[in-house]
Amino acid sequence: DAGVTQSPTHLIKTRGQQVTLRCSPKSGHDTVSWYQQALGQGPQFIFQYYEEEERQRGNFPDRFSGHQFPNYSSELNVNALLLGDSALYLCASSRILDRGNEKLFFGSGTQLSVL
Amino acid sequence: DAKTTQPNSMESNEEEPVHLPCNHSTISGTDYIHWYRQLPSQGPEYVIHGLTSNVNNRMASLAIAEDRKSSTLILHRATLRDAAVYYCILRDGNNQGGKLIFGQGTELSVKP
Repeated sequence: DAGVTQSPTHLIKTRGQQVTLRCSPKSGHDTVSWYQQALGQGPQFIFQYYEEEERQRGNFPDRFSGHQFPNYSSELNVNALLLGDSALYLCASSRILDRGNEKLFFGSGTQLSVL
Repeated sequence: DAKTTQPNSMESNEEEPVHLPCNHSTISGTDYIHWYRQLPSQGPEYVIHGLTSNVNNRMASLAIAEDRKSSTLILHRATLRDAAVYYCILRDGNNQGGKLIFGQGTELSVKP
């Protein structure tokens, strides 16, 4: 059983460009969450998708958007990249019905560098 | 979500037990206590969670204080592979979904 897979693993972009990151959840999971982790910091919640809709959002600007597909996979899009967007972007999957009792499974992340 | 407080770093010797503390004095009755760890160059990994009673699994044990205002993650025999950042996180049992509020965590180093 494959866990959470993310692509690409590394990406280099320049300021002002747009980027799309992809995530496939663990089999049987229906919820995908995205996190941003700056160097030396804990991950910060960006947003969560369930039933192809954004259900919760953290304190991130509208430049960050996402999408969830019928097969539960997800994309994270970032427009007008800034130097400060350089970070490790993590995807996590879970099952919505597990509520606070749930376990999140994380991918290994996409390392984004903005030059 | 209620916040947690953890020491920034801890050291342990290989094959000795490690007790990682976490304070959560503002915990509510519906908050679950979760622990995740993040090994270098990897995403966080679920370790254990509990609500009121102590919990054991193959990775670790979780000891929860009677008033639930603190908890301790116990690694019974630390190995070099346990060197990681350990995060203590509170999850509202009434809140569906994957929002975890990560703090700085405790960076555990294990000496051979």
